[in-house]
Amino acid sequence: KQEVTQIPAALSVPEGENLVLNCSFTDSAIYNLQWFRQDPGKGLTSLLLIQSSQREQTSGRLNASLDKSSGRSTLYIAASQPGDSATYLCAVSKGSYIPTFGRGTSLIVHP
Amino acid sequence: ETGVTQSPTHLIKTRGQQVTLRCSSQSGHNTVSWYQQALGQGPQFIFQYYREEENGRGNFPPRFSGLQFPNYSSELNVNALELDDSALYLCASSLYSSGNTDTQYFGPGTRLTVL
Repeated sequence: KQEVTQIPAALSVPEGENLVLNCSFTDSAIYNLQWFRQDPGKGLTSLLLIQSSQREQTSGRLNASLDKSSGRSTLYIAASQPGDSATYLCAVSKGSYIPTFGRGTSLIVHP
Repeated sequence: ETGVTQSPTHLIKTRGQQVTLRCSSQSGHNTVSWYQQALGQGPQFIFQYYREEENGRGNFPPRFSGLQFPNYSSELNVNALELDDSALYLCASSLYSSGNTDTQYFGPGTRLTVL
C-alpha cells in the first residue's frame, strides 16, 4: 500500500525566505507526482505535475523535483510571500490517476 | 470554460440520515472522482467514474455510492450517516483518452457535518 509522508507538517517563516517542502513515498512505481495548494476550507489547486520520466517542473517561483528511485520529491518556493500561505499537498498516482495524498504542509508566511 | 462546481457548500445532517452531494464537471471532461478529506488529513479517494461506470474504488463501505450522468455531472450518495462521515467532500474532473488521464481539476468542496 502506497504511503505518502510530508515534512514538515507546519512551517512559519518571514516574507522573502526560500522554502523547501518535502514529500516521500514508499512505492517508487508511480505514474506521476503532483503538488497541490489548498486554502482553508477550499478545494485543491494544482501547482505542478511531474511525470515519472521527468525529474523536475518549474512554474514561476515554484520548482518541484522528483527522485523516483529514492521515493522523494521536493517543492521549492523562492522569495516567499504572504499570499503563499496555505496547505501544500503532495499526491502520487500509479496509473488511472487515482492519487494517494500526504497530509500536507501548512505554511504561514508573515509580513 | 467553466470550472468544477459542487453543491451544496455546507450541509448538516444527523446520524442515520442519507445525503446526496452534487458535482458538475469541467467542460470537456469525461471522468469524475470523489474524495473525503477529514480535518487535518489529506484527501482520501472514494471512487472514480468514467462514462457512467465506476472505474476504481477506495477503501470505503458500500453505503458510499455514486452516479455519473450523460452530461458527466455526478452525485455522491451516503446512506446511514455516521459521525465520522463529517468531512470536506471534494469532486475532481479530468479527461481520460487514449489510455492517459490528464490532471484533475478540483471543485471547492462540500462541508458535511453529521451530528
